Order: sequence, then C-alpha cells, then structure tokens
Amino acid sequence: QAVLTQPSSLSASPGTSASLTCTLRSDIDVGSYKIYWFQQKPGSPPQFLLSYRSDSDKGQGSGVPSRFSGSKDVSANAGLLLISGIHAEDEADYYCMIWHNSVSTVFGGGTKLTVL
Amino acid sequence: QAQLEQSGPEVKKAGASVRVSCKASGYTFPRSSLSWLRQAPGQGLEWVGWISAVSGIAHYGQKFLGRVTMTTDIPTNTAFMELRSLKPDDTAVYYCAREVDKDYDVWGQGTLVTVHS
Repeated sequence: QAVLTQPSSLSASPGTSASLTCTLRSDIDVGSYKIYWFQQKPGSPPQFLLSYRSDSDKGQGSGVPSRFSGSKDVSANAGLLLISGIHAEDEADYYCMIWHNSVSTVFGGGTKLTVL
Repeated sequence: QAQLEQSGPEVKKAGASVRVSCKASGYTFPRSSLSWLRQAPGQGLEWVGWISAVSGIAHYGQKFLGRVTMTTDIPTNTAFMELRSLKPDDTAVYYCAREVDKDYDVWGQGTLVTVHS
C-alpha cells in the first residue's frame, strides 16, 4: 500500500470550491505529520503551495493566494487541500508530500484538477 | 530572489553515468539544504536524496543507494548529482529543490535525462 494516496483526477467548475485529499497509509497517523502541497503545471517544476499540520502550525508559499488552504480529516487519516473560488488557471496537477523521516520525503501520486 | 539553475538535457546509453548540476543564486547557499527529485514521463514525483550544502552530508533514497552521489561546491554555489549504472527507467526530469524548514520553496527548472538501451 502506498504511503500517500491521492485520487487521480478531480473536476470543478470556475467559482466553486474543491477539496483534494491525500490519504495516509493506515499505519501512519496524519496527526503526527505536516502535509505539504505542490502545484505543477505542464512543462514547469512543482510550486510549493502550503504546508499544514494544525491551525497553529501551517505555512503559505510566497505569493500563494489565501483561497488555497490546508486542513485535515482525522477520521479519514487524510490531509486536505482546499481551493475556494476556483479559477481556470488552477487547472494543474497537485501533489501532497510528507517528510517520512527526518531526511526523506514521500509524495502522493498526484491529482489532476480539471476546471470545466 | 532565490533561484536554482540546472544544467542542460542529457542523453545517455544504459550503463553510463550522468552528472547534473544545480547553481544557486540570490541567497546564502551554505545555509541551506537541497533535495534532488525526479519525475518520469507522465508520472509523479520521486525523492532521490538530500544534501546539506555546508557539511556535504547526504542521505539517499533506498533504491538509489550505491548508484548516486550528491556533492556541493561552496565557492561556486553549485550542487551536483551523479547517477551511475543508468537504466532506461532512469529516464526522467531531475529537479533540485531548496529545503528551508522542510519546505521545498525554490525549484530548479529541471534537467531531462534520457537513457537509451
């Protein structure tokens, strides 16, 4: 079982909101981890969006709009990336990541967000 | 403004080695760490390893142990990743990314390494 699992695709209409999930393997407690989120558009490197452990321990990437936010669903053992007021330019691949130990990182397989 | 500039695309034959460079500018290079990641065509991101710029201490992903070496050259603010015994499934875009407080906040533009049999 993969350490981090993301749905392969998600569609949303402009102006609406979307919640992208990143489910941690059952033996890894989401409460113990800070979840990092990246956006990648075709032909470009990933861009750091935000990190989220709790409401008191989070960070926003430089220049990243506040309509991108993080959260957790503890009952589902998942990290969430919330995008409100979706714009056409939000169409991209989104990756979650954790520091699996102090020096190595693990990525989810990515979610392709299509803006209809 | 912090930037990472990577070397150009490479085409290699299976069994050969490749060395990719990542030149930092706009920030104090020795105060940071760098990770190397890769992305195979149409696939997700994979962590290759991490190096402390000032100490040169590196940690590598399990699947790359014995095949990869990461180094830094402080005078030129440049990091290097060498991958040996290349296989066709090493074909990927390789990225360097600055790590500050566990955030990968600055990325290089990527270097395409193509390995043919």
